[in-house]
Amino acid sequence: DSGVTQTPKHLITATGQRVTLRCSPRSGDLSVYWYQQSLDQGLQFLIQYYNGEERAKGNILERFSAQQFPDLHSELNLSSLELGDSALYFCASSPSQGKLTEAFFGQGTRLTVV
Amino acid sequence: AQSVSQHNHHVILSEAASLELGCNYSYGGTVNLFWYVQYPGQHLQLLLKYFSGDPLVKGIKGFEAEFIKSKFSFNLRKPSVQWSDTAEYFCAVFSGNTGKLIFGQGTTLQVKP
Repeated sequence: DSGVTQTPKHLITATGQRVTLRCSPRSGDLSVYWYQQSLDQGLQFLIQYYNGEERAKGNILERFSAQQFPDLHSELNLSSLELGDSALYFCASSPSQGKLTEAFFGQGTRLTVV
Repeated sequence: AQSVSQHNHHVILSEAASLELGCNYSYGGTVNLFWYVQYPGQHLQLLLKYFSGDPLVKGIKGFEAEFIKSKFSFNLRKPSVQWSDTAEYFCAVFSGNTGKLIFGQGTTLQVKP
């Protein structure tokens, strides 16, 4: 158990819908990273938050957004869903932002868009 | 831009064979380097990491990796693999300047008993 909790574990939804994925980092970790893992794209970095602020952005679509709340949990919002958004979404947490000693990963949320 | 390339997408070995997985990264600044493993149905777990110092780092389960700065490489090795090493392996690079932790495409290792 990494200490990072992601909910839900599985999500099935229809095209055009909107979903929210939740991530609770390890106790004390201030940084949260979001990744999308698909068969053809590998593990793609989406976005990083540190203590409530966006700090780094990767290949995140405009239809996707995220935020980190004062209690440090983070949510990834995916809207206008397309079939191609079906993937495993991971979040990871780490204690700091400037120096990464290790990122701890959650079990992921498997999103299926039908 | 920061990027990571893993040369082998799918490797099949017999038990007791030696393993070497290639990883090259692209970034001109100071980086931290990682190898993660993802066993079937599980989350990514850290195998080993390199920040500075001895370029040969040892990790869990008998894995080691060598950082060669001139080649921008961080290859993973294990002298003798076991069936339980069957998993997907990811190389990753972190830059404090960009704040990004970028992963390679991953290598699926299948070890035959």
